[in-house]
Amino acid sequence: GQNIDQPTEMTATEGAIVQINCTYQTSGFNGLFWYQQHAGEAPTFLSYNVLDGLEEKGRFSSFLSRSKGYSYLLLKELQMKDSASYLCAVRDGDYKLSFGAGTTVTVRA
Amino acid sequence: IAGITQAPTSQILAAGRRMTLRCTQDMRHNAMYWYRQDLGLGLRLIHYSNTAGTTGKGEVPDGYSVSRANTDDFPLTLASAVPSQTSVYFCASSDGTGGYNEQFFGPGTRLTVL
Repeated sequence: GQNIDQPTEMTATEGAIVQINCTYQTSGFNGLFWYQQHAGEAPTFLSYNVLDGLEEKGRFSSFLSRSKGYSYLLLKELQMKDSASYLCAVRDGDYKLSFGAGTTVTVRA
Repeated sequence: IAGITQAPTSQILAAGRRMTLRCTQDMRHNAMYWYRQDLGLGLRLIHYSNTAGTTGKGEVPDGYSVSRANTDDFPLTLASAVPSQTSVYFCASSDGTGGYNEQFFGPGTRLTVL
């Protein structure tokens, strides 16, 4: 089975940095994804890690440590439009995803 | 059509009724998935299909059935709806041929069973 944990809510100020942690215990591992989901909308792909280390994409970065079962998503220079839920998902060997419950980030002016 | 479409957008359904949620993609993706999303529980996989003609059970398959007659369509059927099936349902697809193989999601169907 899969067990994926992430904080329920986080609040930060516009222009600041927020780090969303995700820990996982899974029966198989074939990559970790982060998705963004605005209220009432579909999830959209943000990042993918399969090897240990940091992947940077503009204001967003994602880190993976397979030995620790740990990932984080770093959001820099926060903007109001970054207010959303961020979903951590682990892919097993059969290309199926298991999702965490999501972290709701609120950006305040 | 561009991407994945789902129909209906929302539906209110009496318990015991049969309902089919439709999902169509035009990206020629091999794999398709159905999830339900409930507050505090995140996305949970109901059924999936790795290629046309094959289907598999996910984490919460009971009360649901799927078929995959062709590459583009992946309908989800509730044979006899119950109130616990009230949820937002998302269909997704992925290429399944390597690389990121990220899943692309449809806009969702909000279903209420009374």
